[in-house]
Amino acid sequence: SQKIEQNSEALNIQEGKTATLTCNYTNYSPAYLQWYRQDPGRGPVFLLLIRENEKEKRKERLKVTFDTTLKQSLFHITASQPADSATYLCALPLWSGNTPLVFGKGTRLSVIA
Amino acid sequence: EAQVTQNPRYLITVTGKKLTVTCSQNMNHEYMSWYRQDPGLGLRQIYYSMNVEVTDKGDVPEGYKVSRKEKRNFPLILESPSPNQTSLYFCASSLGYPSGANVLTFGAGSRLTVL
Repeated sequence: SQKIEQNSEALNIQEGKTATLTCNYTNYSPAYLQWYRQDPGRGPVFLLLIRENEKEKRKERLKVTFDTTLKQSLFHITASQPADSATYLCALPLWSGNTPLVFGKGTRLSVIA
Repeated sequence: EAQVTQNPRYLITVTGKKLTVTCSQNMNHEYMSWYRQDPGLGLRQIYYSMNVEVTDKGDVPEGYKVSRKEKRNFPLILESPSPNQTSLYFCASSLGYPSGANVLTFGAGSRLTVL
């Protein structure tokens, strides 16, 4: 089955800088990868999805990359703002085919004004 | 508004007293799932359901039951709660199996404390 590592539990960054969060997986290469945002005590909210044949996906100040050779996805927030402070989770399918998602433990991002 | 609704949001109970956490979605989603979230362990799946009367175990099903008698509802049942089931619980749904086309919509969470 799939194992996911989000290599930073917490990341502090200054307002205006670009935050880069990492998601590594260990086993088979998934057909897609999803990123979610979670605020304290609330449910995760979907942000972006990237498929295996896509190198990069963008949505406003967010960018996701997917490198199947490195078995890694990077999640970037450009021009970060204090409102971006939250925990960010990556999620992959447990195995190929119809399968539940497995989530990483998340990276808690703090953007300091 | 499209949403997943969980109740109760907060509950304190005692060991052994059966409880049910309800989950309802208004998006006509086929797939529904329960997760628990604990510090340091992240989100772990308890049970999921692809359709009415079809349920499957996730990573941590012990001590829980579910049922899917109607498409919109997916209650989580703790027959005899124990303190190690103290956690933050989330219900989620998606149109079909999570995929390159389907993403999860989560409820607001239910914080359960078992004394």
